[in-house]
Amino acid sequence: DAKTTQPNSMESNEEEPVHLPCNHSTISGTDYIHWYRQLPSQGPEYVIHGLTSNVNNRMASLAIAEDRKSSTLILHRATLRDAAVYYCILRGGATNKLIFGTGTLLAVQP
Amino acid sequence: ETGVTQTPRHLVMGMTNKKSLKCEQHLGHNAMYWYKQSAKKPLELMFVYNFKEQTENNSVPSRFSPECPNSSHLFLHLHTLQPEDSALYLCASSQDGREYSNQPQHFGDGTRLSIL
Repeated sequence: DAKTTQPNSMESNEEEPVHLPCNHSTISGTDYIHWYRQLPSQGPEYVIHGLTSNVNNRMASLAIAEDRKSSTLILHRATLRDAAVYYCILRGGATNKLIFGTGTLLAVQP
Repeated sequence: ETGVTQTPRHLVMGMTNKKSLKCEQHLGHNAMYWYKQSAKKPLELMFVYNFKEQTENNSVPSRFSPECPNSSHLFLHLHTLQPEDSALYLCASSQDGREYSNQPQHFGDGTRLSIL
């Protein structure tokens, strides 16, 4: 499975945008980029996914580099409730597996 | 009730006990999953069921025995566990578990298991 690299931790201020980076230089043409987050004492929660084009939903936006070797999850206005571990996961081909890494721990300051 | 519900939320058991974890989903999904999350380690996939049939066993020791009686319910039967089995056990479901499926997985909040 292709690997992703994320910073261990990031900090943001409440009501400011947050850009969470993910590098995936070995991504294959059929790999989708998925993002999940895990709030304290909860199971992971699906955030967004995409293949080539940028994607938006009610939770976040996903910006995918033209060469697909990196992507950025954008939270437009961080709230205290967005403090969580964010996981960037490549998923594709014949496997339906989610292979979780260690993710980015996002802290949001009031 | 909606979503994925896991019971119990917390479980403490001795190494010689037998207990079961329960997962129930009200999303109409056909695939269900067990994951293990140990302290300071990434989530690890344990088992996958698709339309009640087990399609993946990720080299899990036989002291963990899954059961999927229907598409809405998933159990994890535990017996003679070891201290290193203490972890958060998470259940998830998705519309289906077919190959090439990119449908999101919906997770429960887990059972925190402690082995004495």
